[in-house]
Amino acid sequence: DAGVTQSPTHLIKTRGQQVTLRCSPKSGHDTVSWYQQALGQGPQFIFQYYEEEERQRGNFPDRFSGHQFPNYSSELNVNALLLGDSALYLCASSLEAGGRDTQYFGPGTRLTVL
Amino acid sequence: QKEVEQNSGPLSVPEGAIASLNCTYSDRGSQSFFWYRQYSGKSPELIMFIYSNGDKEDGRFTAQLNKASQYVSLLIRDSQPSDSATYLCAVKSGNEKLTFGTGTRLTIIP
Repeated sequence: DAGVTQSPTHLIKTRGQQVTLRCSPKSGHDTVSWYQQALGQGPQFIFQYYEEEERQRGNFPDRFSGHQFPNYSSELNVNALLLGDSALYLCASSLEAGGRDTQYFGPGTRLTVL
Repeated sequence: QKEVEQNSGPLSVPEGAIASLNCTYSDRGSQSFFWYRQYSGKSPELIMFIYSNGDKEDGRFTAQLNKASQYVSLLIRDSQPSDSATYLCAVKSGNEKLTFGTGTRLTIIP
């Protein structure tokens, strides 16, 4: 049973560039959430996708956008990269359960912006 | 602003002893509570979840929830060096987002 997978593992970009991160949920899961984790901090919620729609969004600018595909996989796009966007980006998947869902994390993508 | 507070540590515990990790939360409407373990450079790994007041045990781990005091804790019995990691407390209300604390760094001393 495959767990949550993310690609790429590491990424180095320069300021102003755009980046796309990818996530495949755990088998049987239909909901994908994205988090940003800066060094020494807890994960910060970016947004959540369910049924190919953005269901919730955290306090992140519009430079952060996403998409969910019919197979439940998801992408996170970040435009006009800033130095402060350097972080570990985590994808978590869950099965919609009326608020009782449990989220499982993928290995993350380490983004470095120079 | 819904907040989850944890002592950042580091918390040092001798091998074989009980490690006690604490977390408080501000939103009284919170319904689901989670503990994740995160090794340095890795992603968070789910250890326990708890929904109801009281204790929930799983192997060497016990989660304790007190909604009246807005307090959730994690006890690790017979601590092992492999338990050395950062422990993240996370809280959720219904279908709302998962809110994390900043984590407590735990070190088990052989």
